[in-house]
Amino acid sequence: QKEVEQNSGPLSVPEGAIASLNCTYSDRVSQSFFWYRQYSGKSPELIMSIYSNGDKEDGRFTAQLNKASQYVSLLIRDSQPSDSATYLCAVNPRGKGGAQKLVFGQGTRLTINP
Amino acid sequence: SAVISQKPSRDICQRGTSLTIQCQVDSQVTMMFWYRQQPGQSLTLIATANQGSEATYESGFVIDKFPISRPNLTFSTLTVSNMSPEDSSIYLCSAWTEVDTEAFFGQGTRLTVV
Repeated sequence: QKEVEQNSGPLSVPEGAIASLNCTYSDRVSQSFFWYRQYSGKSPELIMSIYSNGDKEDGRFTAQLNKASQYVSLLIRDSQPSDSATYLCAVNPRGKGGAQKLVFGQGTRLTINP
Repeated sequence: SAVISQKPSRDICQRGTSLTIQCQVDSQVTMMFWYRQQPGQSLTLIATANQGSEATYESGFVIDKFPISRPNLTFSTLTVSNMSPEDSSIYLCSAWTEVDTEAFFGQGTRLTVV
């Protein structure tokens, strides 16, 4: 089982709709969770971080974390064509003897259709 | 925030040779990491570059193939040794200014081995 799993997509959403991206992780003691956006040919850039169960909102983006289900999601409201990118879920499984690192899922390719 | 300069940005190398990639951060950082991103794939962690000590390698990566240096808190190098076409990939340097917060990325090194 992979440490961090995402649906690779592609996910196609009409402009103005809500895009929902999902991620599961295998290590129950993981504490920190991140969503990155990566445009083609560019480096990843951070969108959201979340550390506690529940929702965290930042503008059009909402991250949701459920540690009991080992599940983290990202919602993008009012999707814009500029949101078309690959979205990477990342987890810091720092419960493993204190080793600090960031493990990425395989990414979900999102396309927003005008 | 941190600005990470990575060089070279791209290179084409002959098989059997080695390439050293440099990563310079504009401020002192607590942790530095090296990732590989193969075409259409997500980021795979190669190793954590530890300041003043040997790097911590992930499963499937070994020091003889990917020697890493980190002589201070702002600089690291990754060498890809005895290259084969399978090493063709994008190599990314990453850093945490504070542990378990936003990870910043360099612009990547696109390596092609012929």
